[in-house]
Amino acid sequence: AQSVTQLDSQVPVFEEAPVELRCNYSSSVSVYLFWYVQYPNQGLQLLLKYLSGSTLVESINGFEAEFNKSQTSFHLRKPSVHISDTAEYFCAVSGEAAGNKLTFGGGTRVLVKP
Amino acid sequence: NAGVMQNPRHLVRRRGQEARLRCSPMKGHSHVYWYRQLPEEGLKFMVYLQKENIIDESGMPKERFSAEFPKEGPSILRIQQVVRGDSAAYFCASSPPGRNQPQHFGDGTRLSIL
Repeated sequence: AQSVTQLDSQVPVFEEAPVELRCNYSSSVSVYLFWYVQYPNQGLQLLLKYLSGSTLVESINGFEAEFNKSQTSFHLRKPSVHISDTAEYFCAVSGEAAGNKLTFGGGTRVLVKP
Repeated sequence: NAGVMQNPRHLVRRRGQEARLRCSPMKGHSHVYWYRQLPEEGLKFMVYLQKENIIDESGMPKERFSAEFPKEGPSILRIQQVVRGDSAAYFCASSPPGRNQPQHFGDGTRLSIL
C-alpha cells in the first residue's frame, strides 16, 4: 500500500525567505508524484508533477521539487516566498499498483508573514 | 474551457436526510474521482469512475454511500441517512483517459449535518 508523510503540519516563514516543505512516500513499485496547493475555500490546484525523466521539476510560479528515489522523497522548495503563497500544500502519489487514485499526505500549511 | 464544476458549493442537511453532490468533469475528461476532506485532515480517496462504470470503490464506506457516472449528465455522489460524521468537504476531480494523468479538482461541496 502507498502512503505519504508530510513531516510539517505548519510552516511559518517571512516574506522573501526560502521555504522547504518535506514529503516522503512509501511504495514498492513505480510512483508518480504531485504537489497540489489549496487556497481557502477552494479546490486543489496542481502545482507540479513528476512522472518520469528529469528528477527536478519546476512550476511556473517559482516552486521546484526534486524526486529522490533512494530517500523516497519529493520535497518542495521556493527560494523566495510571497504573501500570496500563503496556502495549504499537499503532496500526493499514485502508481502502478494503485491505479489512478491519489494518496495524499496530511498537508502543510504555509503562513507567509510580512 | 470550464474547469471541474461541482454543485452545490454548500449543502446543509439534517440527520437522516439524503445528500446528493454533483460533479461535471472538464471537457474531454472521461475519468472522475471523489475525495473527502475531513476538518484538519488531508484528502482521502473514495471512488474512481468512468462513464457507466465504477473502476475502484475501495475508499467508499460500506453503507449509505453510492456513486454513479451515467452516460449523460454529471457524476453523482449520494449519501443516504446522513450522520454528523459525514460533515466534510467533498471534492471531485477529473482526468483525461490514460494511466496516471494529472487530476484537476473542483472547488468542492461543503456538507454540514445539523
